[in-house]
Amino acid sequence: EAQVTQNPRYLITVTGKKLTVTCSQNMNHEYMSWYRQDPGLGLRQIYYSMNVEVTDKGDVPEGYKVSRKEKRNFPLILESPSPNQTSLYFCASRPGVNSPLHFGNGTRLTVT
Amino acid sequence: GQQLNQSPQSMFIQEGEDVSMNCTSSSIFNTWLWYKQDPGEGPVLLIALYKAGELTSNGRLTAQFGITRKDSFLNISASIPSDVGIYFCAGPPQTSGSRLTFGEGTQLTVNP
Repeated sequence: EAQVTQNPRYLITVTGKKLTVTCSQNMNHEYMSWYRQDPGLGLRQIYYSMNVEVTDKGDVPEGYKVSRKEKRNFPLILESPSPNQTSLYFCASRPGVNSPLHFGNGTRLTVT
Repeated sequence: GQQLNQSPQSMFIQEGEDVSMNCTSSSIFNTWLWYKQDPGEGPVLLIALYKAGELTSNGRLTAQFGITRKDSFLNISASIPSDVGIYFCAGPPQTSGSRLTFGEGTQLTVNP
């Protein structure tokens, strides 16, 4: 089944403790992206990647890192999480520039 | 930053009623996309619009790409309880290349 898989689905952590949210897609898509969803703000893009080893900042990149060492994986890294990074995170991918995004099921992160 | 204004923010309707929501922007969009997010899930594409003036249907859903390329609307006819969710408009502003911008979302509640 074609899908975008995120892990974990739920994560509770403490301020400053490094964490990684994984994202994997099995559709051979070139483009991958991370979004955060907050009430009243919709989906805001954190980082995106047009292809392997190519990553760019989105609208809200501060406090996040990503890597794209292989086509299928696009992990989101929080080196030192803070409470304002408590949010619902979505990974997404698409095959080309004008193609719609396919989303994962989300990761709900709470930073205390 | 955010360039899409989506309205209304929320709607409470009775089953069987028709629903209309829209998105406007100060920027020209090349594509308009409408997504639905069910509780606990990632957004799923409903309709994609690629040409100004285009009117496209998907079952009880109809969406139009505004002539000015700065707006789009989504209509749902004869709503049913499973229409509950958050509806997002999205698109790449002409100046952003391939990056997608999302509206703030419309939370739809359907009372049986």
